[in-house]
Amino acid sequence: QKEVEQDPGPLSVPEGAIVSLNCTYSNSAFQYFMWYRQYSRKGPELLMYTYSSGNKEDGRFTAQVDKSSKYISLFIRDSQPSDSATYLCAMKAVLIGRGGTSYGKLTFGQGTILTVHP
Amino acid sequence: GAGVSQSPSNKVTEKGKDVELRCDPISGHTALYWYRQSLGQGLEFLIYFQGNSAPDKSGLPSDRFSAERTGGSVSTLTIQRTQQEDSAVYLCASSSPGATGELFFGEGSRLTVL
Repeated sequence: QKEVEQDPGPLSVPEGAIVSLNCTYSNSAFQYFMWYRQYSRKGPELLMYTYSSGNKEDGRFTAQVDKSSKYISLFIRDSQPSDSATYLCAMKAVLIGRGGTSYGKLTFGQGTILTVHP
Repeated sequence: GAGVSQSPSNKVTEKGKDVELRCDPISGHTALYWYRQSLGQGLEFLIYFQGNSAPDKSGLPSDRFSAERTGGSVSTLTIQRTQQEDSAVYLCASSSPGATGELFFGEGSRLTVL
């Protein structure tokens, strides 16, 4: 079983729809939860970054974390064609490396391909 | 530079050849990560650098893969005796030190092994 599970889709919605993307995880060591957006042939870019359970809103985007259920979601309201991309959830564990310094290690979901058609 | 720079953007090679992929992180970012993204897959962790040392190499898939970082800046990922299953996009990311910094990704090097 993978540490992070994400439905790969693809997901196709009409412009203006509400989109719901979800991930589940199994590692209780994950402390930080992120959503990245990746356009075709580009690197991932950070969309949302949360730490605690609950909701975080940024414009049309809302990230939701439920640590007790090990479940995170991203909602996109009033979706636009420009939102068409691959959305990757990512979880960060804080580890201690050699020398005693801490670092964050990201584990990604498989990514969901979203298409918003006009 | 303004962002993470990777080269080459595309590389086609024959099975058995060695390849080198380069990453130039954001100035001042001491943490550097390499990830691999195979077709239709999420990102797979390869290696983490803090400065010039690599405290976590746990994701390197085999001894054909190695990486180094010099001067606390540029990093090179080397794949020896490439195999077809090495075909993927290799992504580099950098961040400020510590566990909470945001990772900034480059656009990746797309490797195709024929």
